[in-house]
Amino acid sequence: GDSVTQMEGPVTLSEEAFLTINCTYTATGYPSLFWYVQYPGEGLQLLLKATKADDKGSNKGFEATYRKETTSFHLEKGSVQVSDSAVYFCALSDRGGGNKLTFGTGTQLKVEL
Amino acid sequence: NAGVTQTPKFRILKIGQSMTLQCTQDMNHNYMYWYRQDPGMGLKLIYYSVGAGITDKGEVPNGYNVSRSTTEDFPLRLELAAPSQTSVYFCAGGTGVSTGELFFGEGSRLTVL
Repeated sequence: GDSVTQMEGPVTLSEEAFLTINCTYTATGYPSLFWYVQYPGEGLQLLLKATKADDKGSNKGFEATYRKETTSFHLEKGSVQVSDSAVYFCALSDRGGGNKLTFGTGTQLKVEL
Repeated sequence: NAGVTQTPKFRILKIGQSMTLQCTQDMNHNYMYWYRQDPGMGLKLIYYSVGAGITDKGEVPNGYNVSRSTTEDFPLRLELAAPSQTSVYFCAGGTGVSTGELFFGEGSRLTVL
C-alpha cells in the first residue's frame, strides 16, 4: 500500500537558518503530494501541494518539488522564523478517488532566537 | 467563518464507557473524514463519508462507528472505550478531489483510563 516516510524530529534551528525536511513516498500510480502544518493546539492546515511530477509547490517562503525519479517531496525554507515552529506532515493522495490522505509521522520543528 | 467544528475538545473516559465525538462543517463539503493522531505515528484514517447516508471504513475502523444523516454532521461513536483509543481525533472535510485540500477541525483529545 501507499506510505510516506519523513525524517524524524525534533529539529531545532536558530532563526534565519536554512530548513530541509526530507519526505519520500511509495505509491502506485501518480499521487498528489502535500505538506500540512500543525501549530500548537490547532488542527492541520495545508501549507503547499504539487499534483504532478516536477511541479513546485510554494507558500510563505516554503518550497517543495515533486521528484518522481527519487519519489521525494522535500520541504525547504531559506530562512526560518520563530513563528515557523510547528509540526510538519508530508502526505499523499492517490488518484483512486476520495482524497483519502496517507500521512507521514510528522516532523517537529523548533526555531530559537 | 466556522469551517469544521469539533466537540468536545477534551474528554476523559473510563474503560467500557461510550461517547460520541461531534463534527459539523459549514463549507458544504460532500466528503468528511475522521483521523486519529498518535505520538510518532502520524494520522490514521478511521472512517470517511462521500455524502449523506454513505460511509466507509478507513485504515483503523475497529472500535468505532459513524453516521452521516446530513451533509453538515459526521459524528464518531466509541461504544466500549479502551485505553488503546486514547488519542487526538481530527475531523476533516473536503471536495474529494485528489488534488484538493482537506480542512481540519481543531481536534478532540480523548483519554481512556
